[in-house]
Amino acid sequence: EVQLVESGGGLVQPGGSLRLSCAASGFTFSNYWMTWVRQAPGKELEWMASTKEDGSEKKYVDSVKGRFTISRDNAENSLYLQMNSLRVEDTAVYYCTRGITSDYWGQGALVTVSS
Amino acid sequence: IVMTQTPLSSPVTLGQPASISCGSSQSLVHSDGNTYLSWLQQRPGQPPRLLIYKISNRVSGVPDRFSGSGAGTDFTLRISRVEAEDVGVYYCMQRTQFPVTFGQGTRLEIK
Repeated sequence: EVQLVESGGGLVQPGGSLRLSCAASGFTFSNYWMTWVRQAPGKELEWMASTKEDGSEKKYVDSVKGRFTISRDNAENSLYLQMNSLRVEDTAVYYCTRGITSDYWGQGALVTVSS
Repeated sequence: IVMTQTPLSSPVTLGQPASISCGSSQSLVHSDGNTYLSWLQQRPGQPPRLLIYKISNRVSGVPDRFSGSGAGTDFTLRISRVEAEDVGVYYCMQRTQFPVTFGQGTRLEIK
């Protein structure tokens, strides 16, 4: 059974940093692109970033380029999102998903940016 | 690519059909010949769930009352007979071109 479990969410002040993790199981992690998608409270889904199977290619939405970094550790079956210079508008539930099509989703990690 | 869904809200009677439209600002036909248009369902309090990929391919376990159609820039999700468990928000999504983009979502509710 495919499982994606996010961790690392929490409350952070504007300008602060946070690192999200996603532990994957039930499939061969190194065979898939992996993706982060977020959803602000009461809002629609927003794609953040995706990384290729071996981590050699990374794509980002313009609003987070230079602030967020997606990475992966295939030996640990883990996906990460390093978030720096956080803004109030980054407050959202962040989902780890499998593939670019996002055929499996985790339960999400809530990130709240507030002073 | 901007994805536009209509309607944004759809009150439906149980057992009746429902239809959601999704338009893209440019063709979703990829250079590999595939059209990477998906539909996702988000039930209240749950993460999204992929229902349909590449226009019309149902994910394993998705009831056959859900169907997808369309081509190019115009796509439709149909539910043949709405059941209570279908309540939630439905999103179309394109991954033909980065950045991946989603529609605004259509809220399906029971009359």
